[in-house]
Amino acid sequence: NAGVTQTPKFQVLKTGQSMTLQCAQDMNHEYMSWYRQDPGMGLRLIHYSVGAGITDQGEVPNGYNVSRSTTEDFPLRLLSAAPSQTSVYFCASSSVRRQDRTGELFFGEGSRLTVL
Amino acid sequence: GDSVTQMEGPVTLSEEAFLTINCTYTATGYPSLFWYVQYPGEGLQLLLKATKADDKGSNKGFEATYRKETTSFHLEKGSVQVSDSAVYFCALSANDYKLSFGAGTTVTVRA
Repeated sequence: NAGVTQTPKFQVLKTGQSMTLQCAQDMNHEYMSWYRQDPGMGLRLIHYSVGAGITDQGEVPNGYNVSRSTTEDFPLRLLSAAPSQTSVYFCASSSVRRQDRTGELFFGEGSRLTVL
Repeated sequence: GDSVTQMEGPVTLSEEAFLTINCTYTATGYPSLFWYVQYPGEGLQLLLKATKADDKGSNKGFEATYRKETTSFHLEKGSVQVSDSAVYFCALSANDYKLSFGAGTTVTVRA
């Protein structure tokens, strides 16, 4: 029972490098999202998607891109990493179908990113 | 916009002590309210929830009651254990999938 799987778990980048954080879920959830977690600031929504081909910005989208080509996958791309993007990133998903809707988000284990 | 304010930590307790973490919210309409818990090195997991006024959510000895009149959803546990050491997040959802989180409260329980 995999749930939400994120890779990599740890990554160190240099300023200006690019990378992609991968997220996959096997629960057939329509809704997927990316949060970043910073001390004293809780979780802040970066981008989200309510289905394949549909994405939208959250609270802190600058510096990040997403795409949703399949229901299962929702990668987060950093095009030119900056030290301010040092954080722990969480992918989360949920069902939006009326009969399955509980409001609960299912989280991955997180990806710790350090930008030097 | 929708927002959640929860008490700042960190909170340090002895085993079997009473725990309360305050949470208040601002939202239009009638949001659903949640408490999530994050154990060290793990992602967040749902602890309990309430979807309408006066509902009480409960799980693992934790309780929280949705108080519309005070816009609050305080988390309580009567007797904490070392295994309850974690970060606790209050959250709300004005629709059924987008959540807004509080800053989190770190709780450490000492034997």
